[in-house]
Amino acid sequence: GAVVSQHPSWVICKSGTSVKIECRSLDFQATTMFWYRQFPKQSLMLMATSNEGSKATYEQGVEKDKFLINHASLTLSTLTVTSAHPEDSSFYICSAPGTGHNEQFFGPGTRLTVL
Amino acid sequence: AQSVTQLGSHVSVSEGALVLLRCNYSSSVPPYLFWYVQYPNQGLQLLLKYTSAATLVKGINGFEAEFKKSETSFHLTKPSAHMSDAAEYFCAVGNSGNTPLVFGKGTRLSVIA
Repeated sequence: GAVVSQHPSWVICKSGTSVKIECRSLDFQATTMFWYRQFPKQSLMLMATSNEGSKATYEQGVEKDKFLINHASLTLSTLTVTSAHPEDSSFYICSAPGTGHNEQFFGPGTRLTVL
Repeated sequence: AQSVTQLGSHVSVSEGALVLLRCNYSSSVPPYLFWYVQYPNQGLQLLLKYTSAATLVKGINGFEAEFKKSETSFHLTKPSAHMSDAAEYFCAVGNSGNTPLVFGKGTRLSVIA
């Protein structure tokens, strides 16, 4: 089956630094990928839609200058959290749609902790 | 717009008892519905999905769900709970093509020995 990977699986950084998270579709191409954020004991909330070769679409309330998304190829989307602060600490999950009935393949997630 | 409501943020059952996790959806188009399970500090695992075929959907680990259009529901059941079923369960709704899923708030299932 289709596999989506994320790297790193966890990261700890100091406040004010930037962190890049990669999302890769390993055995299929994805012109679109989705980035979700999950705070502790909460549900997944869509942050943005990443489109290969064009600008990402951000959900209301998500700062596009803080969460930079680059979809440089058909198998890779990156999310960069710029000038991270403790309130950005969260579980970030990406997904890519497959060819089936709205089939979504989710990455394993990246745990970001900002000190 | 689509939305999902999961009734009960926490459900506790005894081992061997019936598991029933409730999900109601709202959608202006025929929905695709999903149940995912998440163990602590892990990603999502797909349990089952409804994609307009059979209304009774069987998934992994003995779970099943029934799509009831008249009730706009997609409740998840399992006849006999195991300790290993203790986790967070999310119901999600989507529609066709390259669209993201909308998730419910989740239900934490505890299984008591």
